[in-house]
Amino acid sequence: NAGVMQNPRHLVRRRGQEARLRCSPMKGHSHVYWYRQLPEEGLKFMVYLQKENIIDESGMPKERFSAEFPKEGPSILRIQQVVRGDSAAYFCASSPPRQGLAGSSYEQYFGPGTRLTVT
Amino acid sequence: AQTVTQSQPEMSVQEAETVTLSCTYDTSESDYYLFWYKQPPSRQMILVIRQEAYKQQNATENRFSVNFQKAAKSFSLKISDSQLGDAAMYFCAYRTRSAGGTSYGKLTFGQGTILTVHP
Repeated sequence: NAGVMQNPRHLVRRRGQEARLRCSPMKGHSHVYWYRQLPEEGLKFMVYLQKENIIDESGMPKERFSAEFPKEGPSILRIQQVVRGDSAAYFCASSPPRQGLAGSSYEQYFGPGTRLTVT
Repeated sequence: AQTVTQSQPEMSVQEAETVTLSCTYDTSESDYYLFWYKQPPSRQMILVIRQEAYKQQNATENRFSVNFQKAAKSFSLKISDSQLGDAAMYFCAYRTRSAGGTSYGKLTFGQGTILTVHP
């Protein structure tokens, strides 16, 4: 059973470009969470999605950031017009439905992260 | 809003010795989960141990155990017989257990404690 997949693992963008980060959850998982880790800091929650729905985006910056989790395909975190302050590691986690079948319903399984560097 | 505080930026321990990492949290909720995650240099987030707030018994996973003091809102991690592979950043995290609100799902992390293990 493959774990949470994220790609790319490393992404370099120049200021003003767009960054697209992808996350494929574990099989059977329908909940996806995105977190950001700035250098020397802990992870900060950004957004919580279920298939085709944003459940909680209280941690997302109001501008330039968006996320989706379509019916088919991976979840995408999109950052438009990147700035140097967006440089960070972005982690995706997934969990099964609350009455979960695949694993515990309260455990989030993390991907390896995408390290975004803005030059 | 919930907050998690790790007051020890760095800790060190001799191989085979015992070390305790501290964590305090603030919440008005009575039902929640607490976690310790390990982040080695690979940056992969690995779940070490989990505690349900409604359980009075402290969780234990092999060499890892917690001291959960609900009234004091304290959740420390004890690592016994430390091994070189335990060297990592350790994060304490909180998650509500209340399924009704939109904050269900997101993890709130502390700032982390870097653990060094000396041979």
